[in-house]
Amino acid sequence: GQQVKQSSPSLTVQEGGISILNCDYENDMFDYFAWYKKYPDNSPTLLISVRSNVDKREDGRLTVFLNKSGKHFSLHITASQPEDTAVYLCAAGASGTGNYKYVFGAGTRLKVIA
Amino acid sequence: AQTIHQWPVAEIKAVGSPLSLGCTIKGKSSPNLYWYWQATGGTLQQLFYSITVGQVESVVQLNLSASRPKDDQFILSTEKLLLSHSGFYLCAWSPQYAEQFFGPGTRLTVL
Repeated sequence: GQQVKQSSPSLTVQEGGISILNCDYENDMFDYFAWYKKYPDNSPTLLISVRSNVDKREDGRLTVFLNKSGKHFSLHITASQPEDTAVYLCAAGASGTGNYKYVFGAGTRLKVIA
Repeated sequence: AQTIHQWPVAEIKAVGSPLSLGCTIKGKSSPNLYWYWQATGGTLQQLFYSITVGQVESVVQLNLSASRPKDDQFILSTEKLLLSHSGFYLCAWSPQYAEQFFGPGTRLTVL
């Protein structure tokens, strides 16, 4: 089954607005959550991540929110810029003993328009 | 600073031919290493991980194998390619169980 799901394949936001990207997960064992930015034909770049012992983390214009009871995490990008246009991948992992498995979502294509 | 290098950048191979893709990480001792694959239009899938030299764990069975002959090297291979092996192969590293950092990737086309 799809353990990590990004329900919105695409999102268009006006320049200066807030982009909100969402990710849902199924596995209660996930304790690490991350967001990556990816351009076509390029590898993903880590943007921000959190462990399950926090429910919010900010880094500049980026904020990740974690809702463990709802099995949901999101990325908020404030003051969105045209250069934020890219595919955003969410990822989750479980740090069980000897377990280094990560699961990625299918991605949300963000377009920021002027 | 750590750098991760993958080779080749791109490869076009015939069905049934062998394959070897490589990944090297410099500037970090004893990293965790990972292989990922993304089919065109598909989702990034973890294939293998390794936390130490000589030890590799399989996550998804795709008729591929992986080896870690040195601390800083991770190899992905198969003796017989299938059409379904086409896609983008990514190597990644992490300090321990933590954030993953990806290499530039290898684009594989199987004809």
